[in-house]
Amino acid sequence: AQSVTQLDSQVPVFEEAPVELRCNYSSSVSVYLFWYVQYPNQGLQLLLKYLSGSTLVESINGFEAEFNKSQTSFHLRKPSVHISDTAEYFCAVSDRTGGFKTIFGAGTRLFVKA
Amino acid sequence: NAGVTQTPKFRILKIGQSMTLQCTQDMNHNYMYWYRQDPGMGLKLIYYSVGAGITDKGEVPNGYNVSRSTTEDFPLRLELAAPSQTSVYFCASSKGADSPLHFGNGTRLTVT
Repeated sequence: AQSVTQLDSQVPVFEEAPVELRCNYSSSVSVYLFWYVQYPNQGLQLLLKYLSGSTLVESINGFEAEFNKSQTSFHLRKPSVHISDTAEYFCAVSDRTGGFKTIFGAGTRLFVKA
Repeated sequence: NAGVTQTPKFRILKIGQSMTLQCTQDMNHNYMYWYRQDPGMGLKLIYYSVGAGITDKGEVPNGYNVSRSTTEDFPLRLELAAPSQTSVYFCASSKGADSPLHFGNGTRLTVT
């Protein structure tokens, strides 16, 4: 069965510092991978996705994630964070064995300090 | 564009009561989902549907029921509310397995 593990529940970081939010998944077949962001009192929004092709994917606001099949990871990174990046970030996976339903990790709360 | 619309936004239920959380989407998406979000637990899939007339259980289906009679609507039914069902419920839809989910704004349910 597919599963997603986000290794850090909270990540505090100073503004303009780099950050990495870690995500590992379990699946034996081809997967689709997603990162979603949730700002306070809102629903989730797509940040970026990996479907196939280039293993490095980028979002419009400076985040990037790299698909690593051998390590079954899809870590999210940003070289320089802003206060406005404070939010909760969710990694998600869907694959054929799971009936293509999307399963989420427990989330990582990113807190950017001035 | 309305996207995914959930009603109500808030609801308080007494133990043993029943209710239906409504979800409708206007994007002609085949896939629809119900998740619950609890602090520190992320989103857990309750039920999902890949098209009208087709539904399947997710990770935490006990205590809930769904139906999908049309492409647009995917209501979630709680028959006998329990305190463990206190949560924020999100409905979502997508075009397919490789498409991102579009979320509603959520329903905050409290069972006392």
